[in-house]
Amino acid sequence: GQNIDQPTEMTATEGAIVQINCTYQTSGFNGLFWYQQHAGEAPTFLSYNVLDGLEEKGRFSSFLSRSKGYSYLLLKELQMKDSASYLCAVMDSNYQLIWGAGTKLIIKP
Amino acid sequence: GAVVSQHPSRVICKSGTSVKIECRSLDFQATTMFWYRQFPKQSLMLMATSNEGSKATYEQGVEKDKFLINHASLTLSTLTVTSAHPEDSSFYICSARDPSSGYNEQFFGPGTRLTVL
Repeated sequence: GQNIDQPTEMTATEGAIVQINCTYQTSGFNGLFWYQQHAGEAPTFLSYNVLDGLEEKGRFSSFLSRSKGYSYLLLKELQMKDSASYLCAVMDSNYQLIWGAGTKLIIKP
Repeated sequence: GAVVSQHPSRVICKSGTSVKIECRSLDFQATTMFWYRQFPKQSLMLMATSNEGSKATYEQGVEKDKFLINHASLTLSTLTVTSAHPEDSSFYICSARDPSSGYNEQFFGPGTRLTVL
């Protein structure tokens, strides 16, 4: 079966760095997405990785290792507004998105 | 970037009534739209994939006679929850794939909060 695993909840301090991991097992791979979702709102796109390596976009970076079925989202210089759920999703061979359950990130002052 | 709208944003209805939710792609043509449901503290659950001009493909466990999907144009898909019951109360989110996007990413509407009394 297809499976996406990510931690349920993480806590970090304002100004610090946090890494959210995601491991996956899917039928085929056409890229991995990270989305941010604030409570009561729809997800918003953060990043896309299809090749191995690190993609940096401002305070956010995303890493992919296809051989290990592993990705992480790195958030630097954390701000209170970064408190949200972070969803990892993999596009399978049918171009269907398989979603993880999301990681709730709590930022403390 | 691509924009997807959804209407209404919030609806409260009585048990047994039907509710229609609209999803529109505002600045691109979406041949494929997706309908998700999200219960509190849970992840997105794909309900169905909607292709313009053809029947929707429903995920296992989703009743197609209860959740009617119509994708009549390249910019509009509708989800009708028929004979709604309290257990149908949830956050319904649509998304659309922009064919011109190099990422094949899905752009999400703002969601519709349905409460069935």
